[in-house]
Amino acid sequence: DAGVIQSPRHEVTEMGQEVTLRCKPISGHNSLFWYRQTMMRGLELLIYFNNNVPIDDSGMPEDRFSAKMPNASFSTLKIQPSEPRDSAVYFCASSSTTSPLHFGNGTRLTVT
Amino acid sequence: QKEVEQNSGPLSVPEGAIASLNCTYSDRGSQSFFWYRQYSGKSPELIMFIYSNGDKEDGRFTAQLNKASQYVSLLIRDSQPSDSATYLCAVNHQAGTALIFGKGTTLSVSS
Repeated sequence: DAGVIQSPRHEVTEMGQEVTLRCKPISGHNSLFWYRQTMMRGLELLIYFNNNVPIDDSGMPEDRFSAKMPNASFSTLKIQPSEPRDSAVYFCASSSTTSPLHFGNGTRLTVT
Repeated sequence: QKEVEQNSGPLSVPEGAIASLNCTYSDRGSQSFFWYRQYSGKSPELIMFIYSNGDKEDGRFTAQLNKASQYVSLLIRDSQPSDSATYLCAVNHQAGTALIFGKGTTLSVSS
């Protein structure tokens, strides 16, 4: 079991640039979650999918953020345009009805 | 607004002592409760989960749930320096929905 795979591990970009984060969930998991972690706000839910369908995106900060899940083995989180306040660690996690939430290693995003 | 509250700490205990970590939640309909451990610079990893009132033991760890008081705790017996980490409490309303996390309690175990 390879676990949840995220890429890239680190991303440094300039304000205004587009950022795309990628995630491959654990095979057989039908729920996928995007979280963001900062010291101030802790671990916040951005959006989650069940069976590739977005269920709750109320945590997405604003229209600059978008997420897709075109198939059961791939999801993206895109920020366009990026801002310094978007700097955080972004975690992807997956689960199923018989398996609890497992996290990927995260993407550390720095926007300068 | 569904909230999960934890004391941020740091909680400092000597090696071999019992560490007690506490968590309260606001949504009375919550059904599942989880404890995750997160080492600095790493991702959260699941330690234990509990669904029913009472205690659940797994090795040196005991999770305790009191739904009437909306309170869940984690006890770590015989604390080791390797237990030093941030412990995250998480709650969800029903299976298939998202976990809501507290901000975590930092535990420091001194040798």
